[in-house]
Amino acid sequence: DGGITQSPKYLFRKEGQNVTLSCEQNLNHDAMYWYRQDPGQGLRLIYYSQIVNDFQKGDIAEGYSVSREKKESFPLTVTSAQKNPTAFYLCASSRAGGSYNEQFFGPGTRLTVL
Amino acid sequence: AQSVTQLGSHVSVSEGALVLLRCNYSSSVPPYLFWYVQYPNQGLQLLLKYTTGATLVKGINGFEAEFKKSETSFHLTKPSAHMSDAAEYFCAVRFTAGGTSYGKLTFGQGTILTVHP
Repeated sequence: DGGITQSPKYLFRKEGQNVTLSCEQNLNHDAMYWYRQDPGQGLRLIYYSQIVNDFQKGDIAEGYSVSREKKESFPLTVTSAQKNPTAFYLCASSRAGGSYNEQFFGPGTRLTVL
Repeated sequence: AQSVTQLGSHVSVSEGALVLLRCNYSSSVPPYLFWYVQYPNQGLQLLLKYTTGATLVKGINGFEAEFKKSETSFHLTKPSAHMSDAAEYFCAVRFTAGGTSYGKLTFGQGTILTVHP
């Protein structure tokens, strides 16, 4: 079955540590996205990538970094510079070539900073 | 500025009652519109979308939404609520003008639907 996988489902981090969240898709989608979800705030875009080896900052990129070395993979690193990293992180992907294409979401990773 | 507003962060209905979740957007150019549903600790699932054509859109699980350009609205409805409909619902908009980023969705704040027996 095609889909998006995120790992781990739950992640705990000590203050001052960097941590990397995994996102893999086998939908053959060109575009991939990372969102942060906080209660009552909807989803906010962190980074997105339209094609391999290219990515753009979203609305709240500070304290985060990404890479896109493979079409299937778009890992997100939460650095120690992110002031309030505790949140639910969602990865998504979509086809290219039309802004009407919907985004497909992974199951999410819940990050807690101890 | 382009924005999306969901009226009501919490909506409570009885089983079998009408479900109405409201979404309004601000834009002078009709955008592409989506409704997603999220169950606790899960990702988002697409319910339905409007791009062009018929303004009444039918989705999964008996939901439908109507795009009203004059009211800049895209409200989600279901004639008869079921206990399994309890979840959080997000309206999302892809604005088609103003130099917005490719593929970028702007989400509303979400509406939590509670269904009482």
